[in-house]
Amino acid sequence: GAGVSQSPSNKVTEKGKDVELRCDPISGHTALYWYRQRLGQGLEFLIYFQGNSAPDKSGLPSDRFSAERTGESVSTLTIQRTQQEDSAVYLCASSLGPDTQYFGPGTRLTVL
Amino acid sequence: DQQVKQNSPSLSVQEGRISILNCDYTNSMFDYFLWYKKYPAEGPTFLISISSIKDKNEDGRFTVFLNKSAKHLSLHIVPSQPGDSAVYFCAAKGTGFQKLVFGTGTRLLVSP
Repeated sequence: GAGVSQSPSNKVTEKGKDVELRCDPISGHTALYWYRQRLGQGLEFLIYFQGNSAPDKSGLPSDRFSAERTGESVSTLTIQRTQQEDSAVYLCASSLGPDTQYFGPGTRLTVL
Repeated sequence: DQQVKQNSPSLSVQEGRISILNCDYTNSMFDYFLWYKKYPAEGPTFLISISSIKDKNEDGRFTVFLNKSAKHLSLHIVPSQPGDSAVYFCAAKGTGFQKLVFGTGTRLLVSP
């Protein structure tokens, strides 16, 4: 079966522009997560969706970051007025239960 | 604060030998631990996990050991193969919390 997919795989943008990153979770997975990995660092939790519950946004670094998920399908992470420190690999993961999360290939964002 | 620590940024091992990757955590609420492997330009791939009710979990060449009193876990790979060369991330989560807290990773190089 298909794994988690993300698009685009690479995104280069200018400082101040908005970007949208997309995640398609594994079919049937009720939970979806966004993480980011900055250069030389570990993965940093951003946001978590579970079914129709209110998302856990505790990891979002600023109000320029937002995410949406439609039902138990696609999610979009939006970064407004991008800054150079937003440059990172943005990773999406999904899970069926509370434990093992399966990751997509990531979107490499470069803010010039 | 770094709740999950991987103090060795890199490890070099010869093919056929044992690789031991270590991970320490500080949060006593963590009760589930995972190891992920990451190749360049790919998302992390789930490798093996362990619940806090166990002290060992084995899957083929991979064994994870958990020492709760020391808040320490380790991943053993025996025998190591060149294809195991990757960055290995330790991750942890607590009951009722869905987000994974990751270490900064250890780069394993297995030479022929």
